[in-house]
Amino acid sequence: GNSVTQMEGPVTLSEEAFLTINCTYTATGYPSLFWYVQYPGEGLQLLLKATKADDKGSNKGFEATYRKETTSFHLEKGSVQVSDSAVYFCALRPNAGNMLTFGGGTRLMVKP
Amino acid sequence: GAVVSQHPSWVICKSGTSVKIECRSLDFQATTMFWYRQFPKQSLMLMATSNEGSKATYEQGVEKDKFLINHASLTLSTLTVTSAHPEDSSFYICSARDPRRSYNSPLHFGNGTRLTVT
Repeated sequence: GNSVTQMEGPVTLSEEAFLTINCTYTATGYPSLFWYVQYPGEGLQLLLKATKADDKGSNKGFEATYRKETTSFHLEKGSVQVSDSAVYFCALRPNAGNMLTFGGGTRLMVKP
Repeated sequence: GAVVSQHPSWVICKSGTSVKIECRSLDFQATTMFWYRQFPKQSLMLMATSNEGSKATYEQGVEKDKFLINHASLTLSTLTVTSAHPEDSSFYICSARDPRRSYNSPLHFGNGTRLTVT
């Protein structure tokens, strides 16, 4: 079956530090990959996505590249801000279907 | 703006009572909606797939008599937690896909409902 594994948190960084949250997946074929973010007290929001190998999704300074060879979709940001503090979920959706499979979520805490 | 509206955003109820959560697609018709549950410090868990005009499809381990799903129209799905108990306290989220968009377009999520059962 499909699965998504992401690094456990919490990840605690100082403002302006470099961020990497690892995500690897197991799936047949070529799924679409997503990063969702959940800010405190809010619902999930789509952060970025990639639909095929070597695609790079980017938004709000965050980037992730779809690596088929390593089955990874690591989330990166060059300089985090306190406002980036949230829980980040990596997810995949099979190329034939609607249902998302989520990773366990990684809590990011950015200190001023 | 939001394309999937979920209501209420939070609810507190007494043990033994039932609670209904609504999920509406605001500017598209969703034949399929999904209900997730988020346990504290854990990921989202898909509970069931709600299909307009037919019975919902429940994931293994989810009690269908406990979590009643009704998808009565193309823009509304409801989740009713029946005879709620404190262990049902959780964050429930619905999602839907706009069928006008490509198959690999992301799902739209509601803002979630935090249920607390006392």
